[in-house]
Amino acid sequence: DQQVKQNSPSLSVQEGRISILNCDYTNSMFDYFLWYKKYPAEGPTFLISISSIKDKNEDGRFTVFLNKSAKHLSLHIVPSQPGDSAVYFCAAPPGTYKYIFGTGTRLKVLA
Amino acid sequence: DVKVTQSSRYLVKRTGEKVFLECVQDMDHENMFWYRQDPGLGLRLIYFSYDVKMKEKGDIPEGYSVSREKKERFSLILESASTNQTSMYLCASSVTKIGTNTEAFFGQGTRLTVV
Repeated sequence: DQQVKQNSPSLSVQEGRISILNCDYTNSMFDYFLWYKKYPAEGPTFLISISSIKDKNEDGRFTVFLNKSAKHLSLHIVPSQPGDSAVYFCAAPPGTYKYIFGTGTRLKVLA
Repeated sequence: DVKVTQSSRYLVKRTGEKVFLECVQDMDHENMFWYRQDPGLGLRLIYFSYDVKMKEKGDIPEGYSVSREKKERFSLILESASTNQTSMYLCASSVTKIGTNTEAFFGQGTRLTVV
């Protein structure tokens, strides 16, 4: 069973603080992972990815950490801004063609 | 920039109607996808296509069919719309992964309401 799971449906964080969004997966053969951000009434947009051979990837305020032994990845946003308020999905490719997504975490950054 | 365009932002259809959702991408991507997004369920794959005239079932294909007659266009068809197909439908495209991180690019979504 190939799954990615996001167990926290929502998260609220004060502006300027760190947001940490978590994702667990079941298939140790995934070769990379992705994070997407989605605003209401819009399609998801790609945010950041990480290869399974790395344990960290950073892009500006966004850092993704991968813990392969725990089958866990996390997205850190520092500092959080009100414009970061959105639903965040983790995703992985179970094979050559398609992508599977988690259920999403709704982040609310409070001004 | 990759552009994935869905033909409608909002649609309201009646139960039993045949519904066509159209998607066009302009980056010559081999792969195209249809997902639906529902609260608490995330993005679930309905169908995908890795080449013209090729299609594969995703996780929830029941009640849907697809058509890919041209590389840039992927259509989702609801044969007989039902109220449980009320959802946000998202089309996406990607290149075929060849060992490097590649992402899917999404359209703006179609909010379908079946009454």
